[in-house]
Amino acid sequence: QQQVKQSPQSLIVQKGGIPIINCAYENTAFDYFPWYQQFPGKGPALLIAIRPDVSEKKEGRFTISFNKSAKQFSLHIMDSQPGDSATYFCAASMSGNTPLVFGKGTRLSVIA
Amino acid sequence: EAGVTQSPTHLIKTRGQQATLRCSPISGHTSVYWYQQALGLGLQFLLWYDEGEERNRGNFPPRFSGRQFPNYSSELNVNALELEDSALYLCASSLEQGLTAFFGQGTRLTVV
Repeated sequence: QQQVKQSPQSLIVQKGGIPIINCAYENTAFDYFPWYQQFPGKGPALLIAIRPDVSEKKEGRFTISFNKSAKQFSLHIMDSQPGDSATYFCAASMSGNTPLVFGKGTRLSVIA
Repeated sequence: EAGVTQSPTHLIKTRGQQATLRCSPISGHTSVYWYQQALGLGLQFLLWYDEGEERNRGNFPPRFSGRQFPNYSSELNVNALELEDSALYLCASSLEQGLTAFFGQGTRLTVV
């Protein structure tokens, strides 16, 4: 199965900082790239998703940047808060053809 | 509208036994996905069902199996349980294949 590589594995930022999580993919046929947020003991929840026809998408404090030529995409969290402390997963799929393939996750800690 | 529901929440089994996990998708969703999330690891794709058919299977042994019922609910069966099968098993559903997947809270399976 095609891989999605996610980094860093863990991240600690101060409240108000802008954590950035990066993902890289191999399969150029991927056309759907969502990010999920997971709190301990809970299932992942969809945060934001992007298609390769746009380079950036914002929803509230969350922004996805997409670089099609580099086959990379990243999540930025503006004005991070302690409540954002969670594990974040990037994913990719070929819509209509494959299930989501997930990165290994980034554990984010936002300290006050 | 109810989200994806999974049962049971927790399950403790002895090595060699069989486990059955159940999932009810969001109303109107026809695709159901099963993922395994072992401690500290990402989400590993197990199985994908759509319209009652198995569409795709991850890199897991045949003792992991499942089915989807006419009402689109699904069950995952794990035979001959091994200690390494201890994990959070997540079910997700989507309206369109390979696109936005909504996850349940998971079933925590512990094999002793």
